[in-house]
Amino acid sequence: DIQMTQSPSVLSASVGDRVTLNCKASQNINKYLNWYQQKLGEAPKLLIYNTNNLQTGIPSRFSGSGSGTDYTLTISSLQPEDVATYFCFQHNSWYTFGAGTKLELK
Amino acid sequence: QVQLKESGPGLVKPSLTLSLTCTVSGFSLSSYGVIWVRQPPGKGLEWMGVIWGNGNTNYNSALKSRLSISRDTSKSQVFLKMNNLQTEDTAMYFCARSRYFDFWGPGTMVTVSS
Repeated sequence: DIQMTQSPSVLSASVGDRVTLNCKASQNINKYLNWYQQKLGEAPKLLIYNTNNLQTGIPSRFSGSGSGTDYTLTISSLQPEDVATYFCFQHNSWYTFGAGTKLELK
Repeated sequence: QVQLKESGPGLVKPSLTLSLTCTVSGFSLSSYGVIWVRQPPGKGLEWMGVIWGNGNTNYNSALKSRLSISRDTSKSQVFLKMNNLQTEDTAMYFCARSRYFDFWGPGTMVTVSS
């Protein structure tokens, strides 16, 4: 099974900061990597699919990159409404979620 | 627009069977699959199984022996049945469309307790 490791587990940042979240797969997942935002008590919301494709309706401050085993979600200018937990999800070989990065305001 | 909504009993006694329904709208179950995912309180997400547009199914190997997913395309519903429930099965259960795993239902909480 493919394991997904997210880092950091908790990230504190200020409004306006550029924020980078990381996700590492235990083997090559061929860019089949999604990013989700989950707020407390809500369902996950798709932000980015297949590494770098912005889901319709998602603000352009969110972007994704990566290849092979290493992937990144970047928020170019952090907004208060971005406080949430972010999960990566590989769908190259069955399905695996990362444990999440909890993004907090400093 | 695409919508999914889970429904279920809320509370299930240990050793019994869980039955959940995912009712979809805005797309055809013959064209897109539906995945089931669960999330224990305060923990991460685990995929459970998927039913594809052609009706084929795949299951997480950790749950395969207890899990069954089926559908009724005429009613736009997908069904999950899992037997021999234990307290560790207490979780929020979500269904999502398999196209990029883009749209999710709000989830239904299942508590396993006597």
